[in-house]
Amino acid sequence: SQQGEEDPQALSIQEGENATMNCSYKTSINNLQWYRQNSGRGLVHLILIRSNEREKHSGRLRVTLDTSKKSSSLLITASRAADTASYFCATPGQGGSEKLVFGKGMKLTVNP
Amino acid sequence: GAGVSQTPSNKVTEKGKYVELRCDPISGHTALYWYRQSLGQGPEFLIYFQGTGAADDSGLPNDRFFAVRPEGSVSTLKIQRTERGDSAVYLCASSLHFGGDVEGYTFGSGTRLTVV
Repeated sequence: SQQGEEDPQALSIQEGENATMNCSYKTSINNLQWYRQNSGRGLVHLILIRSNEREKHSGRLRVTLDTSKKSSSLLITASRAADTASYFCATPGQGGSEKLVFGKGMKLTVNP
Repeated sequence: GAGVSQTPSNKVTEKGKYVELRCDPISGHTALYWYRQSLGQGPEFLIYFQGTGAADDSGLPNDRFFAVRPEGSVSTLKIQRTERGDSAVYLCASSLHFGGDVEGYTFGSGTRLTVV
């Protein structure tokens, strides 16, 4: 079963605009990860935020985590056409399981 | 190697046949994971190895699916009596740290399996 759920499911913006995508999850977690996937193949790890962190930055990426609301957001600033991809949030499985549970993903299209 | 390598990149097989999918993780990564991704969905967990042993195989859908990692490096996912519903992209990932903590997982490019 999938725990994380991204919102919106699809987003189309112009180059230079910011893109925000949200992820909600159901159970307590110790970290949350965001991944990008191009053309339905391998995923690329973007950023990991721990449960004791509220915000984290990496280049043009900003991730927030609100454990009280069981939600996270990924902000991509000054978007580029190359940011066009699907984005997934992932959380550890229940009971401290090793596996990651992914959401269905969000398709971002950045138009030049 | 520099990344996680999966072979073949594409595999077309007839219903009922046996297939093997190979994953070569990053050297030194003890944790190896198999996921399956259907069109329009997120990856779904199949099995996880820590070293040579399958630490969690709860995601394998049925006994037609089996995976091995005999020497703690390369892993093979084996599917017997393939069905059309097995068609998906099979992704392999490896990580150095427990649960992909710290740096996350490194994924391969996947094997697209099509059962006709």
